Amino acid sequence: GESVGLHLPTLSVQEGDNSIINCAYSNSASDYFIWYKQESGKGPQFIIDIRSNMDKRQGQRVTVLLNKTVKHLSLQIAATQPGDSAVYFCAEIGRTGANNLFFGTGTRLTVIP
Amino acid sequence: NAGVTQTPKFQVLKTGQSMTLQCAQDMNHNSMYWYRQDPGMGLRLIYYSASEGTTDKGEVPNGYNVSRLNKREFSLRLESAAPSQTSVYFCASSERSGGPETQYFGPGTRLLVL
Repeated sequence: GESVGLHLPTLSVQEGDNSIINCAYSNSASDYFIWYKQESGKGPQFIIDIRSNMDKRQGQRVTVLLNKTVKHLSLQIAATQPGDSAVYFCAEIGRTGANNLFFGTGTRLTVIP
Repeated sequence: NAGVTQTPKFQVLKTGQSMTLQCAQDMNHNSMYWYRQDPGMGLRLIYYSASEGTTDKGEVPNGYNVSRLNKREFSLRLESAAPSQTSVYFCASSERSGGPETQYFGPGTRLLVL
């Protein structure tokens, strides 16, 4: 079956430092990945996505890297701010013919002022 | 645009009671989804509706039923609630199904079954 997992369940960083959140996936045929941010008491919020024909994509202060050789995905947050404190999920589009996502368990990012 | 809205925000049920969770989206999306989120776990798909008039089971459908009332609304029903259904429920929508599409989530419904 498919699985999307995260290497680190928790991550603490100093304000202003860069953060890197990692994710491993098992289905080499997956071709679309999304990073979501979930703040306490709220639903997941889209951050950035990447397709398998890319190895890097940049947004505002965020960069996603995809290494298909080792089936690894990472989210880099530049100049981490207190507002970045949240749980971050990587998700993979399902392979069942329907557009549903398989989520990892999440990494909790805590920004230390 | 309100995006995806869910009601109620919080509910307490006794074992065996029934209830319906409501979800609506105003983005004219074709596809809608219901997930549950348990502590320490990622979201798991319960049911989805690829388009108005269709519904399909997801990863954990047992104990639930859904209704795609119209393009905007997708409800989730618990006919006989069990403590194992204590969870946070999220509704999501996407423009279409069948291809890579970003899903947009509602704020969640927190359900406690005693």
